Amino acid sequence: GDSVTQMEGPVTLSEEAFLTINCTYTATGYPSLFWYVQYPGEGLQLLLKATKADDKGSNKGFEATYRKETTSFHLEKGSVQVSDSAVYFCALSNYMDTGRRALTFGSGTRLQVQP
Amino acid sequence: EPEVTQTPSHQVTQMGQEVILRCVPISNHLYFYWYRQILGQKVEFLVSFYNNEISEKSEIFDDQFSVERPDGSNFTLKIRSTKLEDSAMYFCASSGALGVMNTEAFFGQGTRLTVV
Repeated sequence: GDSVTQMEGPVTLSEEAFLTINCTYTATGYPSLFWYVQYPGEGLQLLLKATKADDKGSNKGFEATYRKETTSFHLEKGSVQVSDSAVYFCALSNYMDTGRRALTFGSGTRLQVQP
Repeated sequence: EPEVTQTPSHQVTQMGQEVILRCVPISNHLYFYWYRQILGQKVEFLVSFYNNEISEKSEIFDDQFSVERPDGSNFTLKIRSTKLEDSAMYFCASSGALGVMNTEAFFGQGTRLTVV
């Protein structure tokens, strides 16, 4: 079945540091890929998405590129802020190949940004 | 901006009791979901619902769970006889407006269920 693997956290960075959170997936066909963010005490918010190979999703300074050849969707940000401290989840949906709309999530990566 | 709303935000219940978690999905969405997140663990899919019936469920969604859309706006998850291991954050989500192919899901804020 489909699966998502994320780098384990927590990731601790100083403000303005460069962020990379690795995400790789296993799926048949061409799934859609997502990053969701969960701020402390809150629900899941969609951060960005990409629906086909080589697409780049971006939002709030975060970017991720859908790499079919490496089955990856790494999340990056050039300069993190304290307010970016949260748990980040990589997820996929493989509707076009399996007819399954439900999301498959990675285990989440906690990011802590220190002033 | 339209949003998914869930009530209550926190529910404490005794083991063996029934609980109903409530959700109001985004009004023009057609697909509804429940996920759960046990503390510190990954978000797990429970069930999806479309056209007034379950379209998919995971192995977690056993006979103690049921879902219902009792009217045109609410979507509920019932746990018949709660167990300690049901303690988790339960998220409702919706997706798929008519004619829209993408599967982007919008999540509610979650209901934290604590079974004691």
